[in-house]
Amino acid sequence: DAGVIQSPRHEVTEMGQEVTLRCKPISGHDYLFWYRQTMMRGLELLIYFNNNVPIDDSGMPEDRFSAKMPNASFSTLKIQPSEPRDSAVYFCASSLGGGIAYGYTFGSGTRLTVV
Amino acid sequence: DQQVKQNSPSLSVQEGRISILNCDYTNSMFDYFLWYKKYPAEGPTFLISISSIKDKNEDGRFTVFLNKSAKHLSLHIVPSQPGDSAVYFCAVPGAGSYQLTFGKGTKLSVIP
Repeated sequence: DAGVIQSPRHEVTEMGQEVTLRCKPISGHDYLFWYRQTMMRGLELLIYFNNNVPIDDSGMPEDRFSAKMPNASFSTLKIQPSEPRDSAVYFCASSLGGGIAYGYTFGSGTRLTVV
Repeated sequence: DQQVKQNSPSLSVQEGRISILNCDYTNSMFDYFLWYKKYPAEGPTFLISISSIKDKNEDGRFTVFLNKSAKHLSLHIVPSQPGDSAVYFCAVPGAGSYQLTFGKGTKLSVIP
């Protein structure tokens, strides 16, 4: 298995532009998580899905952030409009059955820079 | 909400010696505690976990100890190797049980 695939690896955009981050989870995994890593806040959970259904989006910072999972093999995280304080590394992770005992599998992340 | 704290942002250890990374948590209601390792430009990778019914779990050079009365978790690496240089996160289940809350991490540097 190729693991969790995220694209793009790096994204530089201007303030006010729309940004879309993409994730392909491991086949057969039924949970998908979006995390954001910053120096100040560390790794924080934004939203997670179970069987393509959003379960908890309480970590989404503002209405500018939205996430979708149209099918079991694809998810997007969209920021519109983007702001400099959104600059961070965004990770997608997937797991089978919640993965609490054996953890999640993370992608390599998307480093977003908003100038 | 579950809170987890790693009070040491960094740690330097000589190759061959023991590395001890610490983590404190505030809620004793959950069943598992986990450690992740992260190299630069990569996502975190699962390292080892421990069930709350145990006080020790060992996997090769890595051992995790759980002190429930003190709400304290530690990861021991013996012997430490230069390839162990990475950021280590402890993680605990959050309010929804299926989500993990991570500490801010400890950067371990193993000096050859």
